[in-house]
Amino acid sequence: DADVTQTPRNRITKTGKRIMLECSQTKGHDRMYWYRQDPGLGLRLIYYSFDVKDINKGEISDGYSVSRQAQAKFSLSLESAIPNQTALYFCATSDLKREGIGELFFGEGSRLTVL
Amino acid sequence: GQNIDQPTEMTATEGAIVQINCTYQTSGFNGLFWYQQHAGEAPTFLSYNVLDGLEEKGRFSSFLSRSKGYSYLLLKELQMKDSASYLCAVIDSNYQLIWGAGTKLIIKP
Repeated sequence: DADVTQTPRNRITKTGKRIMLECSQTKGHDRMYWYRQDPGLGLRLIYYSFDVKDINKGEISDGYSVSRQAQAKFSLSLESAIPNQTALYFCATSDLKREGIGELFFGEGSRLTVL
Repeated sequence: GQNIDQPTEMTATEGAIVQINCTYQTSGFNGLFWYQQHAGEAPTFLSYNVLDGLEEKGRFSSFLSRSKGYSYLLLKELQMKDSASYLCAVIDSNYQLIWGAGTKLIIKP
Protein backbone atom coordinates (compact mmCIF):
# COMPACT_ATOMS: atom_id res chain seq x y z
CA ASP A 1 0.00 0.00 0.00
CA ALA A 2 1.12 3.52 -0.75
CA ASP A 3 2.36 5.65 2.14
CA VAL A 4 0.34 8.63 0.89
CA THR A 5 -3.08 7.78 -0.53
CA GLN A 6 -5.37 10.11 -2.43
CA THR A 7 -9.02 9.57 -3.31
CA PRO A 8 -10.52 9.81 -5.81
CA ARG A 9 -7.80 9.26 -8.42
CA ASN A 10 -9.98 10.64 -11.18
CA ARG A 11 -13.09 12.77 -11.06
CA ILE A 12 -15.20 14.52 -13.65
CA THR A 13 -17.69 17.03 -12.36
CA LYS A 14 -19.74 20.00 -13.46
CA THR A 15 -19.35 23.68 -12.79
CA GLY A 16 -20.79 24.68 -9.44
CA LYS A 17 -20.55 21.29 -7.80
CA ARG A 18 -18.80 20.76 -4.47
CA ILE A 19 -15.83 18.42 -4.62
CA MET A 20 -13.69 16.93 -1.89
CA LEU A 21 -10.31 15.33 -2.43
CA GLU A 22 -9.03 13.25 0.43
CA CYS A 23 -5.51 12.40 1.50
CA SER A 24 -4.32 9.99 4.14
CA GLN A 25 -0.78 9.04 5.11
CA THR A 26 0.91 6.32 7.09
CA LYS A 27 4.32 7.96 7.31
CA GLY A 28 3.61 9.62 10.64
CA HIS A 29 4.60 13.04 9.29
CA ASP A 30 3.24 16.20 10.83
CA ARG A 31 3.44 18.32 7.69
CA MET A 32 0.95 17.91 4.85
CA TYR A 33 0.48 19.88 1.65
CA TRP A 34 -1.91 20.23 -1.26
CA TYR A 35 -0.51 21.19 -4.66
CA ARG A 36 -1.98 21.54 -8.11
CA GLN A 37 -0.07 20.90 -11.30
CA ASP A 38 -0.96 22.32 -14.70
CA PRO A 39 0.87 21.62 -17.96
CA GLY A 40 3.86 23.93 -18.39
CA LEU A 41 3.65 25.26 -14.87
CA GLY A 42 5.45 24.24 -11.72
CA LEU A 43 3.72 22.72 -8.75
CA ARG A 44 1.70 25.42 -7.02
CA LEU A 45 0.93 25.27 -3.33
CA ILE A 46 -2.72 25.56 -2.36
CA TYR A 47 -2.66 24.94 1.40
CA TYR A 48 -0.33 23.41 3.92
CA SER A 49 -0.58 22.23 7.50
CA PHE A 50 2.19 21.73 10.02
CA ASP A 51 -0.05 19.98 12.53
CA VAL A 52 -3.74 19.43 13.23
CA LYS A 53 -4.26 22.93 14.60
CA ASP A 54 -2.11 24.71 12.03
CA ILE A 55 -3.51 25.50 8.57
CA ASN A 56 -1.87 27.94 6.18
CA LYS A 57 -2.76 29.36 2.80
CA GLY A 58 -0.43 28.81 -0.10
CA GLU A 59 0.00 30.92 -3.20
CA ILE A 60 -3.31 29.90 -4.85
CA SER A 61 -5.80 29.26 -2.04
CA ASP A 62 -8.74 31.21 -3.52
CA GLY A 63 -11.63 28.88 -4.33
CA TYR A 64 -10.28 26.12 -2.10
CA SER A 65 -10.60 25.12 1.55
CA VAL A 66 -9.00 22.39 3.61
CA SER A 67 -9.57 20.37 6.74
CA ARG A 68 -6.95 18.55 8.82
CA GLN A 69 -9.10 15.94 10.52
CA ALA A 70 -6.20 14.12 12.13
CA GLN A 71 -2.44 13.92 11.84
CA ALA A 72 -2.89 11.40 9.07
CA LYS A 73 -5.72 13.05 7.12
CA PHE A 74 -5.84 16.25 5.11
CA SER A 75 -8.71 16.96 2.72
CA LEU A 76 -9.10 19.61 0.05
CA SER A 77 -12.50 21.01 -0.92
CA LEU A 78 -13.68 22.99 -3.90
CA GLU A 79 -16.90 24.59 -2.70
CA SER A 80 -18.12 25.51 -6.16
CA ALA A 81 -15.93 24.03 -8.87
CA ILE A 82 -15.10 26.03 -11.99
CA PRO A 83 -13.43 24.89 -15.23
CA ASN A 84 -10.08 26.56 -14.51
CA GLN A 85 -9.75 24.29 -11.49
CA THR A 86 -9.27 21.42 -13.90
CA ALA A 87 -5.83 20.11 -12.95
CA LEU A 88 -3.83 17.32 -11.39
CA TYR A 89 -3.84 17.64 -7.61
CA PHE A 90 -1.17 16.21 -5.35
CA CYS A 91 -1.09 15.70 -1.63
CA ALA A 92 2.35 15.52 -0.04
CA THR A 93 3.84 14.99 3.40
CA SER A 94 7.17 15.83 4.95
CA ASP A 95 8.91 15.33 8.23
CA LEU A 96 10.09 18.18 10.41
CA LYS A 97 13.79 18.84 9.93
CA ARG A 98 16.04 21.11 11.91
CA GLU A 99 16.85 22.94 8.69
CA GLY A 100 13.19 23.45 7.90
CA ILE A 101 11.91 21.24 5.10
CA GLY A 102 12.54 17.56 4.64
CA GLU A 103 11.99 15.54 1.54
CA LEU A 104 8.38 15.58 0.32
CA PHE A 105 6.52 12.34 -0.26
CA PHE A 106 3.70 12.64 -2.78
CA GLY A 107 0.45 10.82 -3.24
CA GLU A 108 -0.38 9.38 -6.64
CA GLY A 109 -2.43 12.40 -7.65
CA SER A 110 -6.08 13.17 -8.24
CA ARG A 111 -7.02 14.23 -11.74
CA LEU A 112 -9.99 16.58 -11.62
CA THR A 113 -11.93 17.73 -14.66
CA VAL A 114 -14.56 20.44 -14.29
CA LEU A 115 -16.92 20.75 -17.23
CA GLY B 1 9.72 38.04 -7.62
CA GLN B 2 11.01 34.55 -7.22
CA ASN B 3 11.92 32.55 -10.25
CA ILE B 4 13.32 29.18 -11.18
CA ASP B 5 14.38 28.49 -14.77
CA GLN B 6 14.83 25.10 -16.37
CA PRO B 7 14.82 24.11 -20.03
CA THR B 8 11.38 22.97 -21.09
CA GLU B 9 12.52 19.88 -22.95
CA MET B 10 15.71 17.98 -23.71
CA THR B 11 16.48 14.95 -25.85
CA ALA B 12 19.30 12.47 -25.30
CA THR B 13 20.37 9.05 -26.49
CA GLU B 14 20.25 5.84 -24.52
CA GLY B 15 23.62 5.17 -22.89
CA ALA B 16 24.72 8.79 -23.07
CA ILE B 17 25.09 11.51 -20.43
CA VAL B 18 22.78 14.50 -20.03
CA GLN B 19 22.97 17.58 -17.83
CA ILE B 20 19.79 19.40 -16.81
CA ASN B 21 20.36 22.93 -15.59
CA CYS B 22 18.41 24.95 -13.06
CA THR B 23 18.97 28.63 -12.27
CA TYR B 24 17.15 30.40 -9.50
CA GLN B 25 16.48 33.88 -8.15
CA THR B 26 14.82 33.57 -4.77
CA SER B 27 14.55 35.53 -1.56
CA GLY B 28 17.18 33.60 0.33
CA PHE B 29 18.27 30.01 -0.03
CA ASN B 30 17.95 27.07 2.33
CA GLY B 31 18.43 24.15 0.00
CA LEU B 32 17.56 22.75 -3.40
CA PHE B 33 15.72 19.57 -4.36
CA TRP B 34 15.59 17.56 -7.57
CA TYR B 35 12.58 15.34 -8.20
CA GLN B 36 11.76 12.93 -11.00
CA GLN B 37 8.22 12.70 -12.33
CA HIS B 38 7.07 10.14 -14.87
CA ALA B 39 4.07 11.17 -16.95
CA GLY B 40 0.86 11.01 -14.94
CA GLU B 41 2.67 9.91 -11.79
CA ALA B 42 3.78 11.50 -8.54
CA PRO B 43 7.13 13.25 -8.22
CA THR B 44 9.76 11.19 -6.43
CA PHE B 45 12.79 12.53 -4.58
CA LEU B 46 16.18 12.35 -6.29
CA SER B 47 18.54 14.65 -4.41
CA TYR B 48 19.00 17.49 -1.97
CA ASN B 49 21.82 20.05 -1.99
CA VAL B 50 22.41 22.75 0.57
CA LEU B 51 26.19 23.20 0.31
CA ASP B 52 28.21 23.96 -2.81
CA GLY B 53 29.56 21.01 -4.69
CA LEU B 54 28.63 17.73 -6.23
CA GLU B 55 26.49 15.04 -4.62
CA GLU B 56 26.73 11.67 -6.34
CA LYS B 57 24.15 8.94 -6.03
CA GLY B 58 24.60 6.09 -8.46
CA ARG B 59 23.95 7.18 -12.04
CA PHE B 60 22.58 10.53 -10.85
CA SER B 61 24.61 13.46 -9.52
CA SER B 62 23.53 16.93 -8.48
CA PHE B 63 25.68 20.04 -8.34
CA LEU B 64 25.09 23.34 -6.57
CA SER B 65 26.71 26.76 -6.77
CA ARG B 66 25.00 29.13 -4.36
CA SER B 67 27.01 32.16 -5.48
CA LYS B 68 25.79 31.65 -9.05
CA GLY B 69 22.25 30.61 -8.16
CA TYR B 70 22.79 27.49 -10.23
CA SER B 71 22.34 23.76 -10.00
CA TYR B 72 22.46 20.89 -12.42
CA LEU B 73 21.37 17.29 -12.43
CA LEU B 74 23.69 14.92 -14.27
CA LEU B 75 22.34 11.61 -15.50
CA LYS B 76 24.83 9.01 -16.73
CA GLU B 77 24.38 5.80 -18.71
CA LEU B 78 20.90 6.88 -19.72
CA GLN B 79 18.19 4.25 -19.82
CA MET B 80 14.80 4.42 -21.49
CA LYS B 81 13.17 4.47 -18.06
CA ASP B 82 14.87 7.81 -17.39
CA SER B 83 12.39 9.43 -19.78
CA ALA B 84 10.52 11.70 -17.37
CA SER B 85 10.23 15.26 -16.20
CA TYR B 86 12.84 16.55 -13.76
CA LEU B 87 11.74 19.19 -11.28
CA CYS B 88 14.01 21.65 -9.51
CA ALA B 89 12.74 23.22 -6.27
CA VAL B 90 14.38 25.78 -3.99
CA ILE B 91 13.70 26.42 -0.30
CA ASP B 92 13.60 30.17 0.21
CA SER B 93 14.34 32.27 3.30
CA ASN B 94 10.82 31.64 4.65
CA TYR B 95 11.29 27.89 4.23
CA GLN B 96 8.79 27.86 1.38
CA LEU B 97 9.40 25.58 -1.59
CA ILE B 98 9.58 27.31 -4.96
CA TRP B 99 9.17 24.93 -7.89
CA GLY B 100 10.45 25.16 -11.43
CA ALA B 101 8.15 24.11 -14.26
CA GLY B 102 10.25 21.03 -14.91
CA THR B 103 12.36 19.69 -17.77
CA LYS B 104 10.89 16.95 -19.91
CA LEU B 105 13.67 14.52 -20.85
CA ILE B 106 13.15 12.33 -23.90
CA ILE B 107 15.46 9.36 -24.33
CA LYS B 108 15.91 7.93 -27.82
CA PRO B 109 17.27 4.47 -28.59
